[in-house]
Amino acid sequence: GQQLNQSPQSMFIQEGEDVSMNCTSSSIFNTWLWYKQDPGEGPVLLIALYKAGELTSNGRLTAQFGITRKDSFLNISASIPSDVGIYFCAGQNYGGSQGNLIFGKGTKLSVKP
Amino acid sequence: GAGVSQSPSNKVTEKGKDVELRCDPISGHTALYWYRQSLGQGLEFLIYFQGNSAPDKSGLPSDRFSAERTGGSVSTLTIQRTQQEDSAVYLCASSLGRVGGPNTGELFFGEGSRLTVL
Repeated sequence: GQQLNQSPQSMFIQEGEDVSMNCTSSSIFNTWLWYKQDPGEGPVLLIALYKAGELTSNGRLTAQFGITRKDSFLNISASIPSDVGIYFCAGQNYGGSQGNLIFGKGTKLSVKP
Repeated sequence: GAGVSQSPSNKVTEKGKDVELRCDPISGHTALYWYRQSLGQGLEFLIYFQGNSAPDKSGLPSDRFSAERTGGSVSTLTIQRTQQEDSAVYLCASSLGRVGGPNTGELFFGEGSRLTVL
């Protein structure tokens, strides 16, 4: 079945640093989405991308839908402590399996000790 | 409320007991998903409901797991004869779910039901 490879699995950030994470797949998707999960809560949608090549920003977040439709990245600029959490990418295919939606395994952001 | 509501928020049960977890989706959302999340892990798909269509049960890990959605709204996930490996957070999500439309990936999640099987 379709799978998403999300990397890195985890990373440590220092306040002010820029952060980058990505998802790749061997299959194409119609939509790419990025979610963030804070501890003890459900994931919340950050950005949704609907067109190949689309670049979308939401405050300090920027995400792109890869031109091949097989990948997407999320950048966070000038990170702050509240950016810690788990970030999930998701790809959607109309009529696909698992309710049309495949999730990556997540990127865990933590603060550098 | 305006969001997805799940109950109970925490459930501790003994091995072998049955449990029921409830999800109230956002009003008007036709699509409903259940996911399981073990500590520090990703989202494991369990089941998907879309309107009156037959649910996609492909993610249910065993026949001890079942789910139903009554009247196209509230959903109940039932785990029979619970095992310790069933301990996890069970997340419910809903979306507008217009088949073939662009919004079906925009999920709204509840806060989850944390299940602990002793």
